[in-house]
Amino acid sequence: AQSVTQLDSQVPVFEEAPVELRCNYSSSVSVYLFWYVQYPNQGLQLLLKYLSGSTLVKGINGFEAEFNKSQTSFHLRKPSVHISDTAEYFCAVNPIRGSQGNLIFGKGTKLSVKP
Amino acid sequence: DAGVTQSPTHLIKTRGQHVTLRCSPISGHKSVSWYQQVLGQGPQFIFQYYEKEERGRGNFPDRFSARQFPNYSSELNVNALLLGDSALYLCASSLGAGDNSPLHFGNGTRLTVT
Repeated sequence: AQSVTQLDSQVPVFEEAPVELRCNYSSSVSVYLFWYVQYPNQGLQLLLKYLSGSTLVKGINGFEAEFNKSQTSFHLRKPSVHISDTAEYFCAVNPIRGSQGNLIFGKGTKLSVKP
Repeated sequence: DAGVTQSPTHLIKTRGQHVTLRCSPISGHKSVSWYQQVLGQGPQFIFQYYEKEERGRGNFPDRFSARQFPNYSSELNVNALLLGDSALYLCASSLGAGDNSPLHFGNGTRLTVT
C-alpha cells in the first residue's frame, strides 16, 4: 500500500520570498508522483508530475519539484511567490502500472502568501 | 473547450436520504473517477470507470455506487446518507485509464447532510 505525508499543514510566507512544500511518500512499489493545487471553491489543477527521467520536474506557474528516491521525497519549490499562489497544495502518488485514476493524496498544505 | 462539469454545485440532504451526483467529462475523455474530500483532508478515491466498466474501487461502503453512460458521463449514488458523508465530491476525467493520462478535475459538488 502507498501513503503520502505532507509535513506542514500550513505555510505562511511573504510575497516574493522562496517557498518549499514538503512531501514524503511510502510505497513498496515504484510510483508516479504529482502535485495539485486547489484554489478556494474549486477543483484540483495539476501543477506537475514525475513519471520518469530527470528528477527535477518543472510545472506551471513557476513551480518545480525534485524527486529523491533515496529519501522518498518529492518537495515542491518556487523561488519567488505571488499573492495569487495562496491556495492549498496536494501531493499525490499512484503505483506504476496502476490506473492514474486512483491517486493517493496527502492531507494538503495551505500556502498563505502575505504582502 | 468545456472542462469537467459537475451538478449540482451544492446540495443539502437529510440523514437516511439518497443522493445522485452527476459528472460530464471533457469531450473525448473516456475515463471518469470520483473522489470524496472531507473538510481539512485530501481527496479520497471512490471509483474509476473506463469505457463504462468499473476499473477501480476505493475503501467505501456499498452505500456508494456509480455508473458510466455511453456518452461517458457518470453518476455517483449514495444511499442511506450519514452525517459523515458531508464532503466535497470531485469528479475527474482523463483520456484513458493508463499511466500517462492526467486527471482533469471538476469544481465539485458540496454535499451537506443534516
